[in-house]
Amino acid sequence: GAGVSQSPSNKVTEKGKDVELRCDPISGHTALYWYRQRLGQGLEFLIYFQGNSAPDKSGLPSDRFSAERTGESVSTLTIQRTQQEDSAVYLCASSPVDAGYGYTFGSGTRLTVV
Amino acid sequence: GEDVEQSLFLSVREGDSSVINCTYTDSSSTYLYWYKQEPGAGLQLLTYIFSNMDMKQDQRLTVLLNKKDKHLSLRIADTQTGDSAIYFCAEEGMDSSYKLIFGSGTRLLVRP
Repeated sequence: GAGVSQSPSNKVTEKGKDVELRCDPISGHTALYWYRQRLGQGLEFLIYFQGNSAPDKSGLPSDRFSAERTGESVSTLTIQRTQQEDSAVYLCASSPVDAGYGYTFGSGTRLTVV
Repeated sequence: GEDVEQSLFLSVREGDSSVINCTYTDSSSTYLYWYKQEPGAGLQLLTYIFSNMDMKQDQRLTVLLNKKDKHLSLRIADTQTGDSAIYFCAEEGMDSSYKLIFGSGTRLLVRP
């Protein structure tokens, strides 16, 4: 597509439920990133995928968080047993290169855990 | 550890210059970045500077880099109301160029 597409744009969920967030990268972009933005804060790196290489999961905050990507296409970020501190905007970016100047961000999914 | 610091808020009058400041910790960062976030939108790359440069100009934007003090600034000339947004400074992670470390963002308000 023309840009990075994320869905849903907004998600309200009850504490303890699982949620799945989706990211459709720009076609041809081999690198895909997930970041989390808490209210009033900068972005925190969560996970990085590059082609068929093993992902860099070093930013995932707990084992309740996981992400998958099939080849160079769609990625899903799953949060199990959501907690209130998971409330944030989850941003996805894709890039044709392994450098910040190549990033294109999606508009994000705003997750609210009540 | 890695840390990027920015002031939280800046208010300027339309037509004035805006200067947004940032300090970072990783002296090995090859590139340093400025991103802009408008309400309800993702981040948009505004400009970036290679670490062996001390200045980069791009139309109304001027980036200044002081490597000795690990200080980065973004100057916007002739600031317009459309420039109102949150501006994020970012450095590369120590162990990887692909992982960015962001500041908390500076909210720029442009008054008519």
